[in-house]
Amino acid sequence: LAKTTQPISMDSYEGQEVNITCSHNNIATNDYITWYQQFPSQGPRFIIQGYKTKVTNEVASLFIPADRKSSTLSLPRVSLSDTAVYYCLVGRGGYGSSNTGKLIFGQGTTLQVKP
Amino acid sequence: SAVISQKPSRDICQRGTSLTIQCQVDSQVTMMFWYRQQPGQSLTLIATANQGSEATYESGFVIDKFPISRPNLTFSTLTVSNMSPEDSSIYLCSVEDPTGGYTFGSGTRLTVV
Repeated sequence: LAKTTQPISMDSYEGQEVNITCSHNNIATNDYITWYQQFPSQGPRFIIQGYKTKVTNEVASLFIPADRKSSTLSLPRVSLSDTAVYYCLVGRGGYGSSNTGKLIFGQGTTLQVKP
Repeated sequence: SAVISQKPSRDICQRGTSLTIQCQVDSQVTMMFWYRQQPGQSLTLIATANQGSEATYESGFVIDKFPISRPNLTFSTLTVSNMSPEDSSIYLCSVEDPTGGYTFGSGTRLTVV
């Protein structure tokens, strides 16, 4: 599984767009990029997955440049309820897992949204 | 998406005792995963549990300390044995969701005193 590097923490204000970048220089050809969100006292929740270019769903957008060595999770118009830890995972098994289904979590990015 | 019921949600235990954590899934799944999240830390995989075979443990985790049962395709237990304060963590189970991603239980917050 490719090693990932994210900022430890970020602060934002309600209504702003937040972009969290993840570096994964050793990403392999067959690897997908996946992001999870973890609220306090809850397990992680799958947000979005992509392979290249741009993916958008009702929660977020994921931007992946052509070299795929990094990715950016974009949260539009955040609210206080978006305060959480965001994890970037890279793996070929889908949804951030290895081909045996394991998820290897890095330290994640703690996003604090302020009023 | 899959729904996981995890019990207990929290417990305070005396050192030297054992606690068994249960996870019930509302659908049949091949693999179930157990994770530990120490205070302020990320998640670490403890083991993978397949029905009908022994669990596969990650480096640093052993069966004597964390025995796992997987009696059928919807249920698994993790026991934390001979507990010490260092075992105070959140323990979570997870399964691959047929609709996408991995679903996690709500976690068991364990405090060992």
